[in-house]
This record gives sequence, C-alpha cells and structure tokens, in this order.
Amino acid sequence: AQKVTQAQTEISVVEKEDVTLDCVYETRDTTYYLFWYKQPPSGELVFLIRRNSFDEQNEISGRYSWNFQKSTSSFNFTITASQVVDSAVYFCALSEAGFQKLVFGTGTRLLVSP
Amino acid sequence: EAQVTQNPRYLITVTGKKLTVTCSQNMNHEYMSWYRQDPGLGLRQIYYSMNVEVTDKGDVPEGYKVSRKEKRNFPLILESPSPNQTSLYFCASSPRDGSVNTEAFFGQGTRLTVV
Repeated sequence: AQKVTQAQTEISVVEKEDVTLDCVYETRDTTYYLFWYKQPPSGELVFLIRRNSFDEQNEISGRYSWNFQKSTSSFNFTITASQVVDSAVYFCALSEAGFQKLVFGTGTRLLVSP
Repeated sequence: EAQVTQNPRYLITVTGKKLTVTCSQNMNHEYMSWYRQDPGLGLRQIYYSMNVEVTDKGDVPEGYKVSRKEKRNFPLILESPSPNQTSLYFCASSPRDGSVNTEAFFGQGTRLTVV
C-alpha cells in the first residue's frame, strides 16, 4: 500500500527564515512520482514540482528547493528566505506509474509572520 | 488556457437532497478523479475514470456516484447527501502517459456544506 507522511502539522517562522517541510513516503512500486502542491488560503491547489523515482537529482527553483532521497524514502521541501506570501498548506503526494491515483499526506500548514 | 472547471464553487444543501457537482477539462485527458479534503486527513480519492465509460472506486466511494459519458466531463453525484459529506471537493485530470513530465491538473474546488 502507498502512504505519505507529513509529520509536521504546523510550522511558524518569521519572514526571511529558512524552513524545511518533511515528506516521507512508502510504496512497493519501483516506478512512482512524487509531487508537492501548495494550497493558499484561497483554497486552490497549486502544482509546485513533480519528481520521477528514477531521477534523484535535487532541484532548485528560485527560493524553493527539493531534496529527494530514495535511501530514506524522503522528498523534503525547503523554502529559503521565507516570505509572508509563502503562508499556505503544503501537500506532498505520491502516484504510482499509470497516474490513476494521487496519495496525499495530511499537509503542513506554514505560517510566515512579518 | 488549459484548465479544469468545477461548478459550483460553494454549495449549501440539506440532508437527502440530490446534488451534482460538475467537472470539465479542456486538455483531452484520459484520467479524471474526484478527491475530498478534510481537516487532518489530506485529500482522499473518491472515484476515478481511466476513459469514457470506465470508472472505478477510490478510497472513499460510499455515498457518491460518477459517470463518464464524454471525455471532458466527470460529474460527481450525491444521491442523498449527509452531513458527513460536508467537505472540500476537487476534480483532477491527467494524461494517460505518465512518463512525460506532467502533473495532475486540479479544479478550483467545491466547498459543500450539508445541513
């Protein structure tokens, strides 16, 4: 069975601090996909990144970076120099090959205060 | 513009009154799904469809129905809504070929309250 664990329910930081959101996953598939989505207070889901299981290269996009480690089944997300606009709920998700279903973690609420 | 459109965005209804939440995508995607989001539980899949006339249950299908008569549309039907179906609902679509660098596209969400 597939499972995604986001152990951090809520994180509060002050603007300009760096913050890392943890994601641990479980799957028996050898081919799978990992995602991060952002859900701002307005409620929509905003796609941030997709990572394939056969590509362990870390990725950086502006202030965002992702650390994928198959050895520890983790796909952590770091925001550098956080801003108030980063305040949102962040979801990590896992999909098997075939894309029929996304299994989501329970989300981490990030609050960035000025 | 590529998008998934859900309607309505907000709905308050009474227990037992049948309702339909519509979902339409303009990307010619084969896969479509419905998820519900509840506090502390994340998003859970209700039903999914791999193509026209092909649907299957997700993790929490009880109390819901779906149909896929056209590729672009995937309505969610609550025949007799109950208060425990109060939730935030998302429709999603994705192409069949998961090997390309793509994502699941989500609708804007439908916030349903059953009183």
